[in-house]
Amino acid sequence: AQSVTQLGSHVSVSEGALVLLRCNYSSSVPPYLFWYVQYPNQGLQLLLKYTSAATLVKGINGFEAEFKKSETSFHLTKPSAHMSDAAEYFCAVKTSYDKVIFGPGTSLSVIP
Amino acid sequence: DAGVIQSPRHEVTEMGQEVTLRCKPISGHNSLFWYRQTMMRGLELLIYFNNNVPIDDSGMPEDRFSAKMPNASFSTLKIQPSEPRDSAVYFCASSLDSIQETQYFGPGTRLLVL
Repeated sequence: AQSVTQLGSHVSVSEGALVLLRCNYSSSVPPYLFWYVQYPNQGLQLLLKYTSAATLVKGINGFEAEFKKSETSFHLTKPSAHMSDAAEYFCAVKTSYDKVIFGPGTSLSVIP
Repeated sequence: DAGVIQSPRHEVTEMGQEVTLRCKPISGHNSLFWYRQTMMRGLELLIYFNNNVPIDDSGMPEDRFSAKMPNASFSTLKIQPSEPRDSAVYFCASSLDSIQETQYFGPGTRLLVL
């Protein structure tokens, strides 16, 4: 069975600082990996996804994530945080044989 | 495209009442998902359909919950009878297929059961 963990339920960064949100997964077969963002009172929307092509995946709003098989990680980064990045971020894992599993989420606060 | 449409956006009801949540997926999408989000349990997949057929309903909490998809453009999630612990935000999402494609979420229905 697959699973996903996100280290840190809440992360605070200063505006302009590096954003790093951690995601580790467990899967017995090659996974598909996703990062979704949820703004207040809205549904989730896709930031980026890894589907076994390039290990460094670029998404919307300047975010990117790197798939590291040896570390079973798919951490999300952004070089410079913006106030509009404040939201809840969810990592998700899926295989061809199973349903998608979402992590518990990380709430990102950006301090001016 | 208008995206995934959910109604109502907010629902307040009393314990014991029947609640019906509605979803219209994006046209052309073959898979539809119902999720529940709470502070305590996070985001939980309740059920998903592929080509209008329920594929996995293992996340449905109990027999009080039921979901239907009579055609490709409409799905309902029904709770009967409702209980206070059902209070949550319920999301519907759709995707082109159920394997690797992106899921597109609706705005959610915020349910409060008194």
